[in-house]
Amino acid sequence: RKEVEQDPGPFNVPEGATVAFNCTYSNSASQSFFWYRQDCRKEPKLLMSVYSSGNEDGRFTAQLNRASQYISLLIRDSKLSDSATYLCVASGGSYIPTFGRGTSLIVHP
Amino acid sequence: GAGVSQSPSNKVTEKGKDVELRCDPISGHTALYWYRQSLGQGLEFLIYFQGNSAPDKSGLPSDRFSAERTGGSVSTLTIQRTQQEDSAVYLCASSLGVLDGYTFGSGTRLTVV
Repeated sequence: RKEVEQDPGPFNVPEGATVAFNCTYSNSASQSFFWYRQDCRKEPKLLMSVYSSGNEDGRFTAQLNRASQYISLLIRDSKLSDSATYLCVASGGSYIPTFGRGTSLIVHP
Repeated sequence: GAGVSQSPSNKVTEKGKDVELRCDPISGHTALYWYRQSLGQGLEFLIYFQGNSAPDKSGLPSDRFSAERTGGSVSTLTIQRTQQEDSAVYLCASSLGVLDGYTFGSGTRLTVV
């Protein structure tokens, strides 16, 4: 079983739509959680950290559910420029971050 | 530097040759990670350095792979006797601490022919 699992998608949504991604992690000792964005043939870039209390950054909201061991990312008012692959990351007791394989988002006009 | 720097950006090598990939992390970042990503695949962990501690080599796929980090800064990943399955993008990341986010370099695209 993969340590961090994501639905690969693609999620194909129109501009202005709201879209949500979930990610599950298997290591209950995980302490740090992040969402990264990766554009085609580019390196991953940090989108936001995920805190137990949830956090919001503009159109993006991330939440953590420790009891069910999943994290989520909500994108409101999708833009064409949001098209990318979104990677979920969990870092456990060994402090080695484990990346999910990513969820592909395509925003169309 | 302002970001994580990796060199070379592209490397084409013949099967059986050795290659060295370099990573220069953000100044002051104590943690350094190497990952590789094959086309259309996720990130595969290779090795992790934290300060002066012994590195975690648990992700290295074979004894042909090795890495070192000199003076707590620059790291070199060496692949000996390269094979075609080693072809991938090798990504280096650094972080300020073990619970902080990770900044990636732009990677080295390795092609073994």
